[in-house]
Amino acid sequence: EDKVVQSPLSLVVHEGDTVTLNCSYEVTNFRSLLWYKQEKKAPTFLFMLTSSGIEKKSGRLSSILDKKELFSILNITATQTGDSAVYLCALPGGGSTLGRLYFGRGTQLTVWP
Amino acid sequence: EAQVTQNPRYLITVTGKKLTVTCSQNMNHEYMSWYRQDPGLGLRQIYYSMNVEVTDKGDVPEGYKVSRKEKRNFPLILESPSPNQTSLYFCASSLVTGDSPLHFGNGTRLTVT
Repeated sequence: EDKVVQSPLSLVVHEGDTVTLNCSYEVTNFRSLLWYKQEKKAPTFLFMLTSSGIEKKSGRLSSILDKKELFSILNITATQTGDSAVYLCALPGGGSTLGRLYFGRGTQLTVWP
Repeated sequence: EAQVTQNPRYLITVTGKKLTVTCSQNMNHEYMSWYRQDPGLGLRQIYYSMNVEVTDKGDVPEGYKVSRKEKRNFPLILESPSPNQTSLYFCASSLVTGDSPLHFGNGTRLTVT
């Protein structure tokens, strides 16, 4: 049973569109939620969220966490072809699962010119 | 340059022939972990280590071994590889257990025939 569920699994948009990627989770002893971007190589870190309602922003990308409803969203505005990638959501375990790291299956974003 | 180095990048082997994938980090990170990535399944944790001589199982440890004799190295050992271990493998490290961004190696694409 997946602890981290991402949606949609796949998304195709045109340059300039805005996209919203979702990550819902079910992890006890919540510590943080992390977003990664994976192009055709290793994942690279985007954001780490620990507090509910506080938006993290980096250029056209932003992310927010809702600890009450157990989800996070990643927004990308004015998409570019270089945003095409798989976006991964991950949650570290806590308590008895400290050291575990749970990834969602990812959202494959394709941006057409 | 801060990095996680995995070797080899590509490996083709036959069923039953023992192999080791090496992983080394130069950032003095305490936490290291191994993942396999398969289409449609995302990243799944194989083993992790929170410090020297401390290792533990992730989601899919069967058929794998690890060791952490030194802080910088965390090799992945397949004692008797089978075709279902054909996958893309990533090693990663972070400053502390799960709660800080992971730095990934470039991946090892393993094919077992």
